[in-house]
Amino acid sequence: DAGVIQSPRHEVTEMGQEVTLRCKPISGHNSLFWYRQTMMRGLELLIYFNNNVPIDDSGMPEDRFSAKMPNASFSTLKIQPSEPRDSAVYFCASSPAGGARGNQPQHFGDGTRLSIL
Amino acid sequence: GNSVTQMEGPVTLSEEAFLTINCTYTATGYPSLFWYVQYPGEGLQLLLKATKADDKGSNKGFEATYRKETTSFHLEKGSVQVSDSAVYFCALSDNQGAQKLVFGQGTRLTINP
Repeated sequence: DAGVIQSPRHEVTEMGQEVTLRCKPISGHNSLFWYRQTMMRGLELLIYFNNNVPIDDSGMPEDRFSAKMPNASFSTLKIQPSEPRDSAVYFCASSPAGGARGNQPQHFGDGTRLSIL
Repeated sequence: GNSVTQMEGPVTLSEEAFLTINCTYTATGYPSLFWYVQYPGEGLQLLLKATKADDKGSNKGFEATYRKETTSFHLEKGSVQVSDSAVYFCALSDNQGAQKLVFGQGTRLTINP
């Protein structure tokens, strides 16, 4: 079975440019998560969706970041305008419904390594 | 709020040594607990989980027991291999129904031959 698919795997662009990261979750999963990983701050949850609806975006660093999930099989994370401090690895993860016990694991993609020059 | 504290790394061991990576948590209610592993250049992969007190999760020779009395979920392996070199993350569920996880800061493990 296909796992979570992220694209691109690597992105290098100049500051001020718009960056769009893409994610295809595992079919049948109803929760989707965007994370950012850096050496300094570790793994940070940016936003997550449940049944395509954003539930918690408190981790989004500022208005330059936005995320959408137009349907159950696709999500985007956009940065506009980008800045050098946005350089990081961005991960998408998905999970199936698991009820209130939260006992279903998240499945991660391989990430997008973003470098803003 | 909920939180996870992991043993600080990096940890360096010789092949066949015994491994323990400590993890303690703070949470309301009865969270599920997880260990994830991240190999270089890859995303996090689920290693094992435990969903209630006294449960033991195990996989690939790794084990962890959900200890509610000490709020701990320490990861152990009896004999590590070079291929176990990776970053290990302890995590707990936030019990919000949407499978939100709270992660520890990660522990980098290096196994020397």
